Amino acid sequence: GENVEQHPSTLSVQEGDSAVIKCTYSDSASNYFPWYKQELGKGPQLIIDIRSNVGEKKDQRIAVTLNKTAKHFSLHITETQPEDSAVYFCAASPLAGGNNRLAFGKGNQVVVIP
Amino acid sequence: SQTIHQWPATLVQPVGSPLSLECTVEGTSNPNLYWYRQAAGRGLQLLFYSVGIGQISSEVPQNLSASRPQDRQFILSSKKLLLSDSGFYLCAWSSRDRGNTIYFGEGSWLTVV
Repeated sequence: GENVEQHPSTLSVQEGDSAVIKCTYSDSASNYFPWYKQELGKGPQLIIDIRSNVGEKKDQRIAVTLNKTAKHFSLHITETQPEDSAVYFCAASPLAGGNNRLAFGKGNQVVVIP
Repeated sequence: SQTIHQWPATLVQPVGSPLSLECTVEGTSNPNLYWYRQAAGRGLQLLFYSVGIGQISSEVPQNLSASRPQDRQFILSSKKLLLSDSGFYLCAWSSRDRGNTIYFGEGSWLTVV
């Protein structure tokens, strides 16, 4: 099955700087890559996703890039703010049929220092 | 719009007692439904998923069970809780008309004492 790994496990950045989290995956059949943000005590919320027919997707201060050859994808947060502090999860799966069984990474703790 | 509700939000139960966590989804038909557990290490472990009423697949052997009595209702149960069942439980849903994206509920904190 799919195996997703995230690096680094913890990331501290100064407010206003950029944060980058990288994920690698193992299954070349995977073609859907979402990112979730989880604040303390809450459920993960989808913040952005990308499908393998594009290499980059941007939504305001966040962007995701995908390199299918190298099997890695990254989340980029620019102009970080204290409210960006959270745990971020990446995931991967093949989009086939009606049963989407995502393989999740173990999460990255991002701390934005004011 | 679609919404997901799960309850209770927090639960403290003694060892050996039963458990029932409920989840309902509104605004969509025939969703796939999921139960995840999140332990202290932050990772998300898929426990059960369901593609329709009465259809339950279990991902890991454990002390828990799941049922889907109605199209948009998913229940996580246990007859006798263990200390190791403590954790943060998340219900989630997906559907083809939403691109099979998985959406999570707010979670239920279970502490077994």
